[in-house]
Amino acid sequence: AQSVAQPEDQVNVAEGNPLTVKCTYSVSGNPYLFWYVQYPNRGLQFLLKYITGDNLVKGSYGFEAEFNKSQTSFHLKKPSALVSDSALYFCAVRVPSGSARQLTFGSGTQLTVLP
Amino acid sequence: DAGVIQSPRHEVTEMGQEVTLRCKPISGHNSLFWYRQTMMRGLELLIYFNNNVPIDDSGMPEDRFSAKMPNASFSTLKIQPSEPRDSAVYFCASSPFAQGLLGGEAFFGQGTRLTVV
Repeated sequence: AQSVAQPEDQVNVAEGNPLTVKCTYSVSGNPYLFWYVQYPNRGLQFLLKYITGDNLVKGSYGFEAEFNKSQTSFHLKKPSALVSDSALYFCAVRVPSGSARQLTFGSGTQLTVLP
Repeated sequence: DAGVIQSPRHEVTEMGQEVTLRCKPISGHNSLFWYRQTMMRGLELLIYFNNNVPIDDSGMPEDRFSAKMPNASFSTLKIQPSEPRDSAVYFCASSPFAQGLLGGEAFFGQGTRLTVV
């Protein structure tokens, strides 16, 4: 069975500082990894994904994530946080041969950027 | 494109009533998903369709739940009869790729907040 863990329910960071939202995964085989963001009263928005290739993936709104196979991690990062980045962030994982049911979401991390 | 469109945005109904949630996927997307989000269980996949055909409905919690996709531009999720424990935010999402074949990301609607009293 595959799983994804977001160890932090809440992350607070000052505006202008770098931010990291952590994600670790457990799958059999090579994973597809995704990050989504959810603003209040909105659906999830796709940020970025790792399928294959370069371990550093760049996505929307200046976010990036680094795939680390040895540590089974896919942490989301941004060099300089904005107040508008405050939202709920979800990591998700799936194996290429799996079904849609095997797109497993983490429990989410609430990011608050303080002005 | 307007994105995935769900209606209604909010629904309050009494226990025992029938509830129908609606979804219009992004044009050209051939996969459609219904998710449920609650604080206790997070995001759960209820059912997904590929080319209008239900592929996996094992996430549908009970026989009270049913979903249809009569054509490529419309899907419904019906709960009959509704119960208070069905209260949640229900999301519809669509994808341009059949899940399991490629790493296609899903595009989500804004959700329907269902409250069963």
